[in-house]
Amino acid sequence: SAVISQKPSRDICQRGTSLTIQCQVDSQVTMMFWYRQQPGQSLTLIATANQGSEATYESGFVIDKFPISRPNLTFSTLTVSNMSPEDSSIYLCSAIGGATYNEQFFGPGTRLTVL
Amino acid sequence: GDSVTQMEGPVTLSEEAFLTINCTYTATGYPSLFWYVQYPGEGLQLLLKATKADDKGSNKGFEATYRKETTSFHLEKGSVQVSDSAVYFCALSVNSGSARQLTFGSGTQLTVLP
Repeated sequence: SAVISQKPSRDICQRGTSLTIQCQVDSQVTMMFWYRQQPGQSLTLIATANQGSEATYESGFVIDKFPISRPNLTFSTLTVSNMSPEDSSIYLCSAIGGATYNEQFFGPGTRLTVL
Repeated sequence: GDSVTQMEGPVTLSEEAFLTINCTYTATGYPSLFWYVQYPGEGLQLLLKATKADDKGSNKGFEATYRKETTSFHLEKGSVQVSDSAVYFCALSVNSGSARQLTFGSGTQLTVLP
């Protein structure tokens, strides 16, 4: 199984600022994803993080607001830009690939509160 | 598009009670189906999965059977424990058995009382 860590685990930020969330996987994986879980709601896929190229965003999410990097097969970052209180959510990183191709593993999430 | 409809919560049960959480889906193609569990303060963990019709996924006393005729994947456990208190998510993927592009249900909060 893949073990995924995220930093920070939580943060409280001011409106208008940006936060970068890091996701580290303990083994090389094929695919990495970023999800948002708004309070009391289910998970919504933000984008697929592609290694060495631009991320693939889902409808309703744009690169200017949620820039994503994936410099190698084990690491990705998500930035939440120009934050507003509506961005308060849990952001989760996930990964599949290699021996875990039929299972998607999730990180513990980053709980973001925007004041 | 693809969607998952899950029984709304919260659900509160006494220890050793029988649990059913309903899940139905709409999908093009032949989806794989999953149940994930999220314990308080933690990320999601895969609980069980089924990749084709009539498959039964099972883990930790939980079971779910892939019913193509009723497009359902209901989660059951015969005797719940306090430690089962968590949020349960039903999910599907339509990419040939892989877990790519998961579509999640709304989640069901389960509380088990001693």
